[in-house]
Amino acid sequence: DTAVSQTPKYLVTQMGNDKSIKCEQNLGHDTMYWYKQDSKKFLKIMFSYNNKELIINETVPNRFSPKSPDKAHLNLHINSLELGDSAVYFCASRHDRATGELFFGEGSRLTVL
Amino acid sequence: AQSVSQHNHHVILSEAASLELGCNYSYGGTVNLFWYVQYPGQHLQLLLKYFSGDPLVKGIKGFEAEFIKSKFSFNLRKPSVQWSDTAEYFCAVNTYSSASKIIFGSGTRLSIRP
Repeated sequence: DTAVSQTPKYLVTQMGNDKSIKCEQNLGHDTMYWYKQDSKKFLKIMFSYNNKELIINETVPNRFSPKSPDKAHLNLHINSLELGDSAVYFCASRHDRATGELFFGEGSRLTVL
Repeated sequence: AQSVSQHNHHVILSEAASLELGCNYSYGGTVNLFWYVQYPGQHLQLLLKYFSGDPLVKGIKGFEAEFIKSKFSFNLRKPSVQWSDTAEYFCAVNTYSSASKIIFGSGTRLSIRP
């Protein structure tokens, strides 16, 4: 049983389109994150939710909108996709917002043409 | 702002060589420290973590790391690498605050020659 699962794993789309990536964790964790990994493997935190409340928003363009319907789910919606949005997006969760390690999903590779 | 530096961008070793990957962080308060590994095409997995206590931490697959507070460092070591250790290695730091976040270094690519 996958602890942190993301869908889709691969996403190829045209510039200007809108797309969503979904994430679910079955670990009972309170806090979830989105990270973006660029082509140079650099990992940058984007958002974090704790019990459905947004607690971290790292100067991400407002074309990116996270949504957390419950504490087990954190989705990422991206409007008006641009070439620079091409990356691997990782969802992660942790038990506590202050301590503990991150558990990562397998990533969603987004390619914008 | 907090930051994590990994000065080795790409390390190439032969099998059985010893490994040390550098990690330095900038944050004056209490920290938790991590090393994650990302095998080709896979997600990040935890190798080891430091929270408190013994500054020498042992992780999975024979890896260990030493927290030296005075040097703001958390270097990763392995006495004898294997070809299967070929991967990207990330150091990360968690800072204690109201909205704690885990910040990652830029990663070190490790290539092992068989």
